[in-house]
Amino acid sequence: NAGVTQTPKFRVLKTGQSMTLLCAQDMNHEYMYWYRQDPGMGLRLIHYSVGEGTTAKGEVPDGYNVSRLKKQNFLLGLESAAPSQTSVYFCTSSLTGWTVSWDLHFGNGTRLTVT
Amino acid sequence: GENVEQHPSTLSVQEGDSAVIKCTYSDSASNYFPWYKQELGKRPQLIIDIRSNVGEKKDQRIAVTLNKTAKHFSLHITETQPEDSAVYFCAAPEAGGSYIPTFGRGTSLIVHP
Repeated sequence: NAGVTQTPKFRVLKTGQSMTLLCAQDMNHEYMYWYRQDPGMGLRLIHYSVGEGTTAKGEVPDGYNVSRLKKQNFLLGLESAAPSQTSVYFCTSSLTGWTVSWDLHFGNGTRLTVT
Repeated sequence: GENVEQHPSTLSVQEGDSAVIKCTYSDSASNYFPWYKQELGKRPQLIIDIRSNVGEKKDQRIAVTLNKTAKHFSLHITETQPEDSAVYFCAAPEAGGSYIPTFGRGTSLIVHP
């Protein structure tokens, strides 16, 4: 039982390049989220999904796209990377939406640098 | 997120002192309030949470208090130790009745030996 696995752990991109961050969970969770973490800004929600085949925008969605073709995977794409997207990206999942508690499970994060 | 305000942004204490971090939220319907601890280079970990049917919850040296009238909740750490040094985040549901977690901006706690 691996929990939430993010790949890659580190990546350096040049401005304009594209990449996909992969999040995989083996807990049969319905809800998955992508956050970015920047100093002094906390964790800000980029996109989220409430189930296979669904996605929705969060607080800071511009410049990102997502897909949830399979329940266990949530992909975050950057079509044309910009230096402003330099950040640490966290994927989280929960069994369902918050009712009694979220029981959020975090991945280990992906550190992305765009030069 | 803007509907969760966290203060202070940094907190420096001497070992053995107490530390208090406060969060305010906007959605009066919220009824679940977790606190996370993030050590340098690691992922956030849940350390304590509280539901709206109680006013206080303790777990050894940490406690969380909730004031639903004033819409704020606080993390209390007593007898601080250097290993308590970390960034602490509060969270609450996004305003508007959604089930989406919104995090405060974090408090960097430094405990000096």
